[in-house]
Amino acid sequence: AQKVTQAQTEISVVEKEDVTLDCVYETRDTTYYLFWYKQPPSGELVFLIRRNSFDEQNEISGRYSWNFQKSTSSFNFTITASQVVDSAVYFCALSGANFGNEKLTFGTGTRLTIIP
Amino acid sequence: NAGVTQTPKFQVLKTGQSMTLQCAQDMNHEYMSWYRQDPGMGLRLIHYSVGAGITDQGEVPNGYNVSRSTTEDFPLRLLSAAPSQTSVYFCATKRPKGQTPNTEAFFGQGTRLTVV
Repeated sequence: AQKVTQAQTEISVVEKEDVTLDCVYETRDTTYYLFWYKQPPSGELVFLIRRNSFDEQNEISGRYSWNFQKSTSSFNFTITASQVVDSAVYFCALSGANFGNEKLTFGTGTRLTIIP
Repeated sequence: NAGVTQTPKFQVLKTGQSMTLQCAQDMNHEYMSWYRQDPGMGLRLIHYSVGAGITDQGEVPNGYNVSRSTTEDFPLRLLSAAPSQTSVYFCATKRPKGQTPNTEAFFGQGTRLTVV
């Protein structure tokens, strides 16, 4: 069975601070995919990133960066110089790589509040 | 190109009533799924389909039925609504026809359902 744990339920930081959201996963698959989604107050789910299990390179996109470490089964998300628009609930998710196990398993989410 | 369209956006039901939540997509995605989102529990998979004519149960299927007669549509039926089914429901699709399962999921805007 697959499992995703986001231990941080809520985080508040002052604007311009850096913040890291933790994600730990469990899977028996050797090939899998990891995702981060953002859910702003308006409620829609916005795709942020997909990472393949065989690619442990860290990724940076503007103020966002992701650290994937297979050895610790973690896929952490860092926002640098946070802004009020980053306030949202962030979900980490995991899926298998085969047609039979491609369903997404989500963590319980981390609510991030950026204080102006 | 509308993406994933869910209707209705809001619904109030009385206990025991039945209704169907509609999900339609125009991206030729093979995989479609329904999630419910409850506070502190993240998104939990109700039912999913890997293609027309094929459906399977997710994590929390009780009280819900689905069918997939076309690629485009994946309705979710509540046969006899209960207050425990008060939630926000999301339809998600992925994997264009002919591609492998390594794609992100696209979500509808959600349906907020209240059962009184």
